[in-house]
Amino acid sequence: QVTLRESGPALVKPTQTLTLTCTFSGFSLSTTGMCVSWIRQPPGKALEWLALIDWDDDKYFSTSLKTRLTISKDTSKNQVVLTMTNMDPVDTATYYCARGLGTVTTQVWDYWGLGTLVTVSS
Amino acid sequence: QSVLTQPPSVSGAPGQRVTISCTGSNSNIGAGYDVHWYQQLPGTAPKFLIYGNSNRPSGVPDRFSGSKSGTSASLAITGLQAEDEADYYCQSFDSSLSNWVFGGGTKLTVL
Repeated sequence: QVTLRESGPALVKPTQTLTLTCTFSGFSLSTTGMCVSWIRQPPGKALEWLALIDWDDDKYFSTSLKTRLTISKDTSKNQVVLTMTNMDPVDTATYYCARGLGTVTTQVWDYWGLGTLVTVSS
Repeated sequence: QSVLTQPPSVSGAPGQRVTISCTGSNSNIGAGYDVHWYQQLPGTAPKFLIYGNSNRPSGVPDRFSGSKSGTSASLAITGLQAEDEADYYCQSFDSSLSNWVFGGGTKLTVL
C-alpha cells in the first residue's frame, strides 16, 4: 500500500534553512504520471501548497515562496527533499508531503503523510 | 485571503443534509479546472474525499457528493453522522498564479 512519511527538525531558528525529507513506499516516482507535493498548514489555518516534483523531474513552486524553495528527488531511495531558506516564525506549520496524480491542471493528492510540525523560534 | 472562498462553518443535525460551497473565479474553477475535496478530521492529515468535481474514491460513502457550476463548486453530505465532524477543503488550479490553490476550509459541526 502507499505510505508517505515526513522527517526533519521540529524546531528551527529564524533565518535558518529548513530541510524536510519525504520517504515513501508503494509507488515509484519514476512512473509516468506520479508526483509528490509539499503542503503546509499553520496551526488553526488553511492548507497551502508549496512545491511539486514529478516523474520527469519537472518542478513547480508556490509563486509567493519560490525564491526560498528547492525540491529534489532520489528515485533510488524513494525520497523527496524540500528545502526552505530564511525561515521566519510565520513559517511555523505542519508540513505534509502527498502523492499527486493527474496532469498539471487536474492534480489531486490521494495519499498524505501524517505531517511534521515545524516551529520557528529563537 | 484564499483564492477559493468557503464558508468558515456549517452545521447540521444527525441525518440532515448540508452543503459546503467553494467559490472561485474565471482563472480557476470558471476556467474549467477540476475541483477536489479533502476531509480533515481533528488532529489528522487531510483525506482525499472527492476528485474531478464529482467522483468518489473507493471507500468514500455515497453520502458524499460533489458538483461544479460556473465559478463555484459544492460538496454535499447527506445523512449526517457524528463522524463527519471535520474540516473540509476544496482545491483547484489557478492559471493566473500558475499554482494549485485551496479554499480557506469549512468546519462542519454535527449538532
